[in-house]
Amino acid sequence: GAGVSQSPRYKVAKRGQDVALRCDPISGHVSLFWYQQALGQGPEFLTYFQNEAQLDKSGLPSDRFFAERPEGSVSTLKIQRTQQEDSAVYLCASSLPSSGGGGNTIYFGEGSWLTVV
Amino acid sequence: AQSVTQLDSQVPVFEEAPVELRCNYSSSVSVYLFWYVQYPNQGLQLLLKYLSGSTLVESINGFEAEFNKSQTSFHLRKPSVHISDTAEYFCAVTTGSGYSTLTFGKGTMLLVSP
Repeated sequence: GAGVSQSPRYKVAKRGQDVALRCDPISGHVSLFWYQQALGQGPEFLTYFQNEAQLDKSGLPSDRFFAERPEGSVSTLKIQRTQQEDSAVYLCASSLPSSGGGGNTIYFGEGSWLTVV
Repeated sequence: AQSVTQLDSQVPVFEEAPVELRCNYSSSVSVYLFWYVQYPNQGLQLLLKYLSGSTLVESINGFEAEFNKSQTSFHLRKPSVHISDTAEYFCAVTTGSGYSTLTFGKGTMLLVSP
């Protein structure tokens, strides 16, 4: 597609409910990232995929958070037993790999706004 | 590890006035620097980036930023702002090794009024 697409755009979940957030990266992009943006804060890294391999999950805040990208394209971020502190915007981003490391541009989706009540 | 400090959480300015949004970073290795803009209810859009070469980089809509290694800064400037520039601006840094995980500042809300 033309850009990174995320769904749902808005999700209200009751505390304790499981949620799944979907990300369609830009076609052909190998790298995929998930970020969490709390109200009034900058985005914070959650996890990184290169194709289907999850190479870094150091930012996942607890074992209730799980991400997958089974075929190296679409990715799903799952949050189990949601808590109020999980309320945030979840941003997905994708990029082409670059031999120069940090020089490649990362393209962000519009985010999935999660509110836990 | 690297970090980013955006000193101002909010910057109010009148239309057609100049503006500077401040960004300082810390890192023990060489960095790449970015400014992203987030309009209300939208995702992040890349505004400009510094990778190497000229320390002054420009965007297509009149913003510019200058990389200052000695002061570890990457301030964003525009000589004359428009109402449509009202948005949240995030400074971000990444290192040159491996995959490019961005570290963001907390953001500066630019409020342009008539």
